[in-house]
Amino acid sequence: ETGVTQTPRHLVMGMTNKKSLKCEQHLGHNAMYWYKQSAKKPLELMFVYSLEERVENNSVPSRFSPECPNSSHLFLHLHTLQPEDSALYLCASSQGSEGGGVKLFFGSGTQLSVL
Amino acid sequence: AQSVTQPDIHITVSEGASLELRCNYSYGATPYLFWYVQSPGQGLQLLLKYFSGDTLVQGIKGFEAEFKRSQSSFNLRKPSVHWSDAAEYFCVRGSTLGRLYFGRGTQLTVWP
Repeated sequence: ETGVTQTPRHLVMGMTNKKSLKCEQHLGHNAMYWYKQSAKKPLELMFVYSLEERVENNSVPSRFSPECPNSSHLFLHLHTLQPEDSALYLCASSQGSEGGGVKLFFGSGTQLSVL
Repeated sequence: AQSVTQPDIHITVSEGASLELRCNYSYGATPYLFWYVQSPGQGLQLLLKYFSGDTLVQGIKGFEAEFKRSQSSFNLRKPSVHWSDAAEYFCVRGSTLGRLYFGRGTQLTVWP
């Protein structure tokens, strides 16, 4: 148990659906992240929130919309996704985000399938 | 380009054998380097990290890694592999704002 909880663990949705992924961290961290893990591709950073402010949007399509209402919660709202968006979506948190040596704590991920 | 390369997609070793997973990075300055392990249903877990100083770093679960600037490498080693070590291993370079650049991963299979 890393202290980062993601729900749901699995999600199947159609291309016209709207769904949300939820992440909650119990570690008192002040930065949170969304990463995408696709088959046969390296993990990719999607979004970074530091002190509840988005500081990174790594060229992610607008059909992915993050929300960070407080330092403990992070959402990823999904709308009109494509089948190629099927992947494992990982949430992570850290204490501080400056510098390259930050240790990230990852959740177990949400396995998303878009039909 | 700032990248991390793991040349081995899949490695199989016998339990009790030694292990070395290769990692090469391309970055001008001294990088922040990590090894993460991903086990089914357990998410990503940090094994060890290198920022500066001693080039041989010790991690959890008996793993160690050695930073070699001359070879741009950060290989992960373990003297005796256990069946529970079967997982996928990622070499990672860190940057600001928690940006992590992941290698493609090496899947480790352990034979009994």
